Amino acid sequence: GAVVSQHPSRVICKSGTSVKIECRSLDFQATTMFWYRQFPKQSLMLMATSNEGSKATYEQGVEKDKFLINHASLTLSTLTVTSAHPEDSSFYICSAVEGGRDEQYFGPGTRLTVT
Amino acid sequence: GDSVTQMEGPVTLSEEAFLTINCTYTATGYPSLFWYVQYPGEGLQLLLKATKADDKGSNKGFEATYRKETTSFHLEKGSVQVSDSAVYFCALMGASTGNQFYFGTGTSLTVIP
Repeated sequence: GAVVSQHPSRVICKSGTSVKIECRSLDFQATTMFWYRQFPKQSLMLMATSNEGSKATYEQGVEKDKFLINHASLTLSTLTVTSAHPEDSSFYICSAVEGGRDEQYFGPGTRLTVT
Repeated sequence: GDSVTQMEGPVTLSEEAFLTINCTYTATGYPSLFWYVQYPGEGLQLLLKATKADDKGSNKGFEATYRKETTSFHLEKGSVQVSDSAVYFCALMGASTGNQFYFGTGTSLTVIP
């Protein structure tokens, strides 16, 4: 089956620094990738939709300058949390859609802790 | 707009009990419906899906039937195991929303021996 990986799985950073999270589709080409944020004991909140070769579409209330998304190839999307603050601590999950299919494949998530 | 309403938890059951987690949806057209499972500290895994009315998705003893007349996609399992303890999310992908998913709030299930 389709596999999506995320790296790193866990990261701790200091307040004010930037952190990059990678999302890769390992055995298929992902025309669209999604980035979600999940708070403890809550559902997934869609942050942005990323299409290869074009700018990401951000959901209302998500700061595009703080959460930079780059979908430079059909197998890689990156989320950079810039100038991280403790309130950015969360579980970030990406998903990928193979062209022409209706199923999202989810990555294992990245636990970000900002101290 | 499209949305999913899911039974709130947490749900605690004894091993071998019957499980039902209710899920209803609002959508225009004919969405695809999904159940995902999330084990502690992990990402989401697809449990089952149905893409049209009256379809039944099934996997690992779990079942859900796409009921358009009641706009529901309830998850059921006849005999739960301790290993089924996880959070379950109902989701839909709208017919005209470009693969965008709408998730329910999740239902935490704990199965005790």
